Amino acid sequence: EVQLVETGGGLVQPGRSLKLSCVASGFTFSSYWMYWIRQAPGKGLEWVSSINTDGGSTYYPDSVKGRFTISRDNAENTVYLQMNSLRSEDTATYYCANGDAWGQGASVTVSS
Amino acid sequence: DVVMTQTPPSLSVAIGQSVSISCKSSQSLVASDKNTYLNWLLQSPGRSPKRLIYQVSKLDSGVPDRFSGSGSEKDFTLKISRVEAEDLGVYYCLQGTHLPFTFGSGTKLEIK
Repeated sequence: EVQLVETGGGLVQPGRSLKLSCVASGFTFSSYWMYWIRQAPGKGLEWVSSINTDGGSTYYPDSVKGRFTISRDNAENTVYLQMNSLRSEDTATYYCANGDAWGQGASVTVSS
Repeated sequence: DVVMTQTPPSLSVAIGQSVSISCKSSQSLVASDKNTYLNWLLQSPGRSPKRLIYQVSKLDSGVPDRFSGSGSEKDFTLKISRVEAEDLGVYYCLQGTHLPFTFGSGTKLEIK
C-alpha cells in the first residue's frame, strides 16, 4: 500500500522558515517524480513544487520561487520542502504526492 | 499560466442520477509526447484529494467504472453514472502538461 506521511508543520511567524518532510513507502520512491501541493483554508488546490527522480530538476510557481526549495533523499525515501521568508498567504495544508497518491497533509500557519 | 475553467461550481443530485462536470483549459493540453495530462481528483469531506482519472480517461486502480473521463485538446468532461452517497465531495481537474501545473476551482457534489 502506498503511504505518504508529511511532518514538520506548525505555527511560524512571518519571515521565518519551516521545513516539511514526506516519508514514502509502498512504491519505488526513486522512480517517481514527487510534488508538493497546498490548500489554503476553505480554498482550492495550488501546485507548489515538483522534483524529478534524481533531484536534478526542480520546478516552482512564481508565488514561491526563490523562497521554497524542494529536495529529496532517495536512500531515505523522503522528499522535503524548505520554506523560507514565510508570509501569511503561505498558510495552508501542504500535501506531498507522487502523481498517483497523496499524503494526509501537514498544516502550516504563518502568523505573528 | 494555463487557466482551468471548471463548471458548475456545485451540483446537488439524487442517488442513482448521473452528472457531468466540465473543465476547459485556456491552452491545448496535448504535450510534446502526444499525451494529454488531464487528471480528475476527488476530495471527500475532511480528507486529502484522491486521483480518480489520469490522462483524460484512464481510471485509477479501485475507482468504480461509474466514473468516466473524456475530451481532448482544451475541453474535458468527468461523468459519474449512478451517483452513490460515497461520491460526495469536491471534484477538481488538474493539468500536468504545462508548468506551472494548474487546478480547476472545484465542483462541490452534494447528495439530495
